[in-house]
Amino acid sequence: EVQLVDSGGDLVQPGQSLTLSCVVSGFTFRSYWMSWVRQAPGKGLEWVANIKQDGSEKYYVDSVKGRFTISRDNVKNSLYLQMNSLRVEDTAVYYCARGELAFDSWGQGTLVTVSS
Amino acid sequence: QSALTQPRSVSGSPGQSVTISCTGTSSDIGVYTYVSWYRQHPGKAPKLLIYDVTKRPSGVPDRFSGSKSGNTASLTISGLQAEDEADYYCCSYAGSYSVVFGGGTKLTVL
Repeated sequence: EVQLVDSGGDLVQPGQSLTLSCVVSGFTFRSYWMSWVRQAPGKGLEWVANIKQDGSEKYYVDSVKGRFTISRDNVKNSLYLQMNSLRVEDTAVYYCARGELAFDSWGQGTLVTVSS
Repeated sequence: QSALTQPRSVSGSPGQSVTISCTGTSSDIGVYTYVSWYRQHPGKAPKLLIYDVTKRPSGVPDRFSGSKSGNTASLTISGLQAEDEADYYCCSYAGSYSVVFGGGTKLTVL
């Protein structure tokens, strides 16, 4: 069974940093592009970033470029999102998702709240 | 990277069909065949219903179908069931390895 388990969400102040993790099982992690998608409270989905199978290519939505870094560890079957200089508008549930152009498996989500 | 446009809400009675539209531009839906659709129940993660405009993942019933014409994609749900009441999101490749989602449509089963 394919499983993605997100973790790391927390309440932080503006300007602080946080790292999210996603541990996967049930499929060959190193064979798939992976992505992060977020959803602000009561709002729609927003793609945040994606990363190629070997980590050699990474892409970001404009609003997080220079602040967020996506990475992966194919030995630990884990996906990460390092978030720096967090803003109030980054408050959202963050989902890891399998895929690049369509997302066929999702984590349960982890809540990041940025507030003073 | 502007969001795709979806109606805020649609509704239908059990057994009926509904169609949800998703309007983009000539930079996303209009030029690529990478449109996907997701259903999200409250408090749950989204679930993939359609990918590559018309394809259904294994396990998704054929009540769900997708199409595209010009800059607009559509999701049709036939034989509405109570469990279909949820939020629906479209998504399209937008070039430069980025994707864009629609704002979401709330489907109410009357």
